[in-house]
Amino acid sequence: EIVLTQSPGTLSLSPGERATLSCRASQSVSSSYLAWYQQKPGQAPRLLIYGASSRATGIPDRFSGSGSGTDFTLTISRLEPEDFAVYYCQQYGNSLTFGGGTKVEIK
Amino acid sequence: QLQLQESGPGLVKPSETLSLTCSVSGGSTTSGNYYWGWIRQPPGKGLEWIGSIYYSGNAYYNPSLKSRVTISVDTSKNHFSLKLISVTAADTAVYYCARLTRLPLYYFDYWGQGTLVTVSS
Repeated sequence: EIVLTQSPGTLSLSPGERATLSCRASQSVSSSYLAWYQQKPGQAPRLLIYGASSRATGIPDRFSGSGSGTDFTLTISRLEPEDFAVYYCQQYGNSLTFGGGTKVEIK
Repeated sequence: QLQLQESGPGLVKPSETLSLTCSVSGGSTTSGNYYWGWIRQPPGKGLEWIGSIYYSGNAYYNPSLKSRVTISVDTSKNHFSLKLISVTAADTAVYYCARLTRLPLYYFDYWGQGTLVTVSS
């Protein structure tokens, strides 16, 4: 099973700042099989990025994904108030796993 | 617009079976482009994939849960179901159903709102 480790666990930033979230895999992951989700309290996760770098429908361009192999990154270029949430990466390899999440909180 | 809705008991006794159904509207479970999956989230914790099923009935499970899980699909009713046997308090979670886009990419693009299942006597 491929383990995804997300860091940091919590990111404290102010609106307008840049957020950089990391997702590291225990084995190489095909970029096609790496996705990112946003989850707000009391809500289901929402797909942000698929195929490591493609934005899902309706996702603002301040969200971007990059990476390959074992290291992937989600970047939010300028944080808006609605971006404060928990973010998860997910991979599909020989099984399907999620990372433990990164909480982006208001500083 | 595709919609998924989970339904089932919110309270299950320890050692009993958790059963949930996900009703799909605005789309068909027979679409060959998708799997249909279950994901759970214990209170205050992260997401855990439980398993996914194709319309043909081929199912794939999280190895850590495989011995206790069965996912089935009823295309005539356009829904799919989850059964988890021998539950304990550790199975208390919000259970989500979701659509998993398959080849060449794998991601969950539509989710149900989730349903909280508590395991307690």
